[in-house]
Formats: sequence, structure tokens, C-alpha cells
Amino acid sequence: EVQLVESGGGLVQPGGSLRLSCVASGLTFSNYWMGWVRQAPGKGLEWVANINQDGSEKYYVDSVEGRFSISRDNAENSLYLQMNSLRAEDTAVYYCSTGGLTFDSWGQGTLVTVSS
Amino acid sequence: DIQMTQSPSSLSASVGDRVTITCRASQTISRSLNWYQQKPGKAPKLLMHDAASLQSGVPSRFSGSGSGTDFTLTINSLQPEDFATYSCQQSYIGPFTFGGGTKVEI
Repeated sequence: EVQLVESGGGLVQPGGSLRLSCVASGLTFSNYWMGWVRQAPGKGLEWVANINQDGSEKYYVDSVEGRFSISRDNAENSLYLQMNSLRAEDTAVYYCSTGGLTFDSWGQGTLVTVSS
Repeated sequence: DIQMTQSPSSLSASVGDRVTITCRASQTISRSLNWYQQKPGKAPKLLMHDAASLQSGVPSRFSGSGSGTDFTLTINSLQPEDFATYSCQQSYIGPFTFGGGTKVEI
């Protein structure tokens, strides 16, 4: 069974930084595209970023381009999202997922709150 | 960006009912359409991919149809565990946009 466990969320001031992590188990991590999807409180889902199997291809939604960076460590079965210059509108639950286009398995999510 | 519009935004139904949810794309996406189910406080779960392919483990009372710009998710004989929010998502081209969701409630 695939398990994805996110961590690293919390309260951060506008303009601050945060690094999210996702540890995967139950799959051959290096075979999968991986992605981050977020959900603002009471809102719908929004794809944030994805990364291919060896990390050579990365794609972002326009609203985070230049501020967020997705990366992975296949030796550690881990996915990361470095978030810089955070804004209030980045407040959301961030989910780690398998897949680049279709999101097959999901973690439980980690809450990021951007507020002063 | 491709806009995904779901209707209705919410609906009331009873156990045993047949429920249909519609998703419309702002431009053609072939059959690159996925459906997710989400319960309160939980992560989404993939139900259907490529418009009509049931994800492994998902009950056969769920079905999907459509191509181009118009898609439907049908739940036959609604069960108590089906009360949730359902969202569509296009996987045709980035950014991979989601619909606003349809809340199915009693």
C-alpha cells in the first residue's frame, strides 16, 4: 500500500519561507512523477507543482513560479517543496501526490498558514 | 488556462438515488478528465481517470462519461459512504486545473 506522509507545515509571516517534505513508502519512488496540490480553507483543489522521476523536469502553476521550488531525493524516497516569499493567499493544506497529470495517491496533507 | 466548471455546486440526495454531476471544460480536453472524491478533513481520492476508467478498488456504482468539453460522473444507488465532495480535474495540459467541486449531501 502506498503511503505518503507530509510534514513541515506551520505558521509563517508574510514574506517568510517554509520547506515541506513528503516521505513515500510502498512504491518504487524513483519510478513516479510526483506533485504537490493545495487546498485553501473552504476552497477547491489547486495543482501547485510536479517533478519527473529523475528531477530533470519541473513545472509550476503561474502563481508560485519563481517563489516555490520542487525537488526530490530518490535515495531517501522524499519529495520537497521549498516555499519562499510566502503570501497570505498561499495559506492552504498542501498535499503530496503520486503522478504528474493524474493524482493517484495522496498524503494526509500539511497546513501552511501565512499570517502576521 | 483551461477553466473547469462543475454543476451543481451542491445537491441533496437520499440513499439509493442516482446522482449525476457535470463538468465542463473551457476548451477541448479530449478524454483527459479525472474525478476525485473528498470527505471532510481527508485527502482526495481518485475515482475515475481518462473520463471513464474506474480506478482500482472503486465500486462499480460509479461511472464516468464524456469527451471534448462535457463530462459526467454518475453514482448509481447512492450509499451512505458516498456523501462527499466530488471534483473534476483536467490532465490535458498544464496548469492541471480542478473544478470547484460538487458537495453531495443528504
